Amino acid sequence: SQQGEEDPQALSIQEGENATMNCSYKTSINNLQWYRQNSGRGLVHLILIRSNEREKHSGRLRVTLDTSKKSSSLLITASRAADTASYFCATGFSGGYNKLIFGAGTRLAVHP
Amino acid sequence: DTGVSQDPRHKITKRGQNVTFRCDPISEHNRLYWYRQTLGQGPEFLTYFQNEAQLEKSRLLSDRFSAERPKGSFSTLEIQRTEQGDSAMYLCASSLAAPPEQYFGPGTRLTVT
Repeated sequence: SQQGEEDPQALSIQEGENATMNCSYKTSINNLQWYRQNSGRGLVHLILIRSNEREKHSGRLRVTLDTSKKSSSLLITASRAADTASYFCATGFSGGYNKLIFGAGTRLAVHP
Repeated sequence: DTGVSQDPRHKITKRGQNVTFRCDPISEHNRLYWYRQTLGQGPEFLTYFQNEAQLEKSRLLSDRFSAERPKGSFSTLEIQRTEQGDSAMYLCASSLAAPPEQYFGPGTRLTVT
């Protein structure tokens, strides 16, 4: 079973617009990670935020984490056609290893 | 490119046949994971190795599935007596203990006819 749920399931925007994807999860976590998947490159790690962090930036990516609401958001600013992909949140847990539980993903389409 | 590699990339087999997939992780990574992904869903955890020790198996991994990592380097995932429901993308990932980001291979797409 999957821990997280992404919202929306699909998102269609124009190049240059911002894209926001949300993720909710059910149990306590150690960290939350976002991955991108497209047919050309498979699953690629984007950014990790730890449970004691509230916000993190990496280039055009901004991730927030609200552990009280068990939710996270991923913002992609100034989107490009190359950002077209599926985006997954994945929760990681403490306890000595790094098993990830993925959500069902958001399919993002960025139109030129 | 010294990323995670998987072989084969595609496998078509008939129901009831056995199949074996191979994963070669990033060389310095001691942690190796197998996931399964079906169309429109996120990856689902199957099993985890730390070095050669298999430390966790998902309930998704029925008795027909077995995974090994004999020398703590490459890993194999075998499915015996395949069923149509086994059709999926099988993903392998590796990581260090810290940081916990996982690096995924391109996957093996299994089709059971």
